[in-house]
Amino acid sequence: EVQLVQSGAEVKKPGESLKISCKTSGYDFSTYWIGWVRQMPGKGLEWMGIIFPGDSDTRYSPSFQGQVTISADKSISTAYLQWSSLKASDTAMYYCARRLGLRYFDSWGQGTLVTVSS
Amino acid sequence: QSALTQPASVSGSPGQSITISCTGTTSDVGGYDYVSWYQQHPGKAPKLMIYDVSNRPSGVSNRFSGSKSGNTASLTISGLQAEDEANYYCSSYTSSSTHMLFGGGTKLTVL
Repeated sequence: EVQLVQSGAEVKKPGESLKISCKTSGYDFSTYWIGWVRQMPGKGLEWMGIIFPGDSDTRYSPSFQGQVTISADKSISTAYLQWSSLKASDTAMYYCARRLGLRYFDSWGQGTLVTVSS
Repeated sequence: QSALTQPASVSGSPGQSITISCTGTTSDVGGYDYVSWYQQHPGKAPKLMIYDVSNRPSGVSNRFSGSKSGNTASLTISGLQAEDEANYYCSSYTSSSTHMLFGGGTKLTVL
């Protein structure tokens, strides 16, 4: 069974750094893209970027390029999303999801709620 | 690039059929058969309901169907049930640097 398990909720202050994780199991991590999707409170889904763990090919939505960093560790089948300096506007639920090529997300993590507040 | 265009809300009575539209351009919906649909209940992660325009993943009810005409894709739910009440999002591959787009989402209310 394909599973994506995300790290727990985070409460941070503006300017702090953060790295959240998405641990996968049940399939060959290196051969599928993993993407990150943001959902701000009461709003819709926004695609942030994707990574192919096999060769670390990473692509970002223009809206998120330079704002976040996506990475992956093949040895532990885990993808990451990180910020170097959080803003209040980063408050949102973040989902990781396995992507079939560039076509669709077939399995999703449970989400990580990030709250940024002074 | 703008998100794909969906109606903000639709509604229907149990047993009825509804259709949610998703309008894009020739660079995304109209140019590729890579439209997918996701169902999201409040407080839950999205769930894939339709992929590649009209294919259903294993385990998804055959009451859900997808189609496309020109730059507009559609999700049809037949025999509406109370459990179908949720938000629905379309998504498409795009040839732009964005690589993929989501629609703004449609809230389905089962009356």
